[in-house]
Amino acid sequence: AQSVTQPDIHITVSEGASLELRCNYSYGATPYLFWYVQSPGQGLQLLLKYFSGDTLVQGIKGFEAEFKRSQSSFNLRKPSVHWSDAAEYFCAVGAGGGNKLTFGTGTQLKVEL
Amino acid sequence: GAGVSQSPRYKVAKRGQDVALRCDPISGHVSLFWYQQALGQGPEFLTYFQNEAQLDKSGLPSDRFFAERPEGSVSTLKIQRTQQEDSAVYLCASSLAGQGGPYNEQFFGPGTRLTVL
Repeated sequence: AQSVTQPDIHITVSEGASLELRCNYSYGATPYLFWYVQSPGQGLQLLLKYFSGDTLVQGIKGFEAEFKRSQSSFNLRKPSVHWSDAAEYFCAVGAGGGNKLTFGTGTQLKVEL
Repeated sequence: GAGVSQSPRYKVAKRGQDVALRCDPISGHVSLFWYQQALGQGPEFLTYFQNEAQLDKSGLPSDRFFAERPEGSVSTLKIQRTQQEDSAVYLCASSLAGQGGPYNEQFFGPGTRLTVL
């Protein structure tokens, strides 16, 4: 069965600083990988996804992620964080019928002004 | 267009009561998913429908949980004899196609927060 690990529960960065959120996955085949963002009281919004091809994928809001098969990782990055990026971020792997998602426990991002 | 909607947004139930949570997917979406998100955790898969057929219910935690989608659009998640451990946010998601794969993006609703006293 697939699993996702997000080792950082909380991260605090200063506005304008760079950001990297870590994600490690376990899955037997080529994974479909996703990053979602969840703001308080809001549903999950898809930031980006990886399925094949170029291992560096671009998403919305200036986010990107790099798939590294050798490290079983799919880390999310942003060069310059904005205060509005404060939210909870979830990494997920899709598998099985209909592409059901297995999520990590999330990383809460706080942005200091 | 309209996204996925869920109702009610908040539900408080006394232990032992039955509750019903509704999900209105995006019109025309074939697949519908239910997830449970406990406080401080990531969402966990409960069940999956393709049209009206429930193809996967492996994540339902007990036989007190029941989901249906009789006409292949609106879905209801029912929890009988609620327990305190059922307190969570219940998320519904829909996707356009019936098969899996990376192109089949799931769109999530805002969730229903269930509190069992």
